[in-house]
Amino acid sequence: SAVISQKPSRDICQRGTSLTIQCQVDSQVTMMFWYRQQPGQSLTLIATANQGSEATYESGFVIDKFPISRPNLTFSTLTVSNMSPEDSSIYLCSVHSLRGNTIYFGEGSWLTVV
Amino acid sequence: QKEVEQNSGPLSVPEGAIASLNCTYSDRVSQSFFWYRQYSGKSPELIMSIYSNGDKEDGRFTAQLNKASQYVSLLIRDSQPSDSATYLCAAGKGNDMRFGAGTRLTVKP
Repeated sequence: SAVISQKPSRDICQRGTSLTIQCQVDSQVTMMFWYRQQPGQSLTLIATANQGSEATYESGFVIDKFPISRPNLTFSTLTVSNMSPEDSSIYLCSVHSLRGNTIYFGEGSWLTVV
Repeated sequence: QKEVEQNSGPLSVPEGAIASLNCTYSDRVSQSFFWYRQYSGKSPELIMSIYSNGDKEDGRFTAQLNKASQYVSLLIRDSQPSDSATYLCAAGKGNDMRFGAGTRLTVKP
């Protein structure tokens, strides 16, 4: 299994500001995934982060709003830019197991935008 | 569009009873199926994975998969108050995984 650390675990942010979430994995992984879970909703994939290349964004998510960095095989960041109350959500970092048949999640970052 | 559907609940069962959680998926090429438990304020935690038709048992949990019906279920035997959580179903292939919105389960003492 993978141990995934995220920070911050929780934050209250002012409208219009940006916040960067960090994700650290205890082993090298090719791909890291960023999900959003809005209150009472399902997990929605934001983007897939590959080391050494630009992130691949899902429909409805754009790089200007959610820039992602992936400087090495154990670390990634997700920035939520120009936040509005609609961005209040849990943001989850995840990796797949070596065989690709299990998904592991970090502890999540709870963001509240006021 | 690839969908994973779950009854949102809440599902309430008495302590000691069997809780039955259901999930359907629309993408027939799905090969991997997961059940996650999510406590309020916490991230999802993997409970069960299943890849082939039939039943898979792990302690008090049994996952059932029927690919012909595109149906996955999770049975929790001898339900405990600590099982009270939201249960997420996931289905997909490789890195393309889709999650249901979850079923909220309450086990009453």
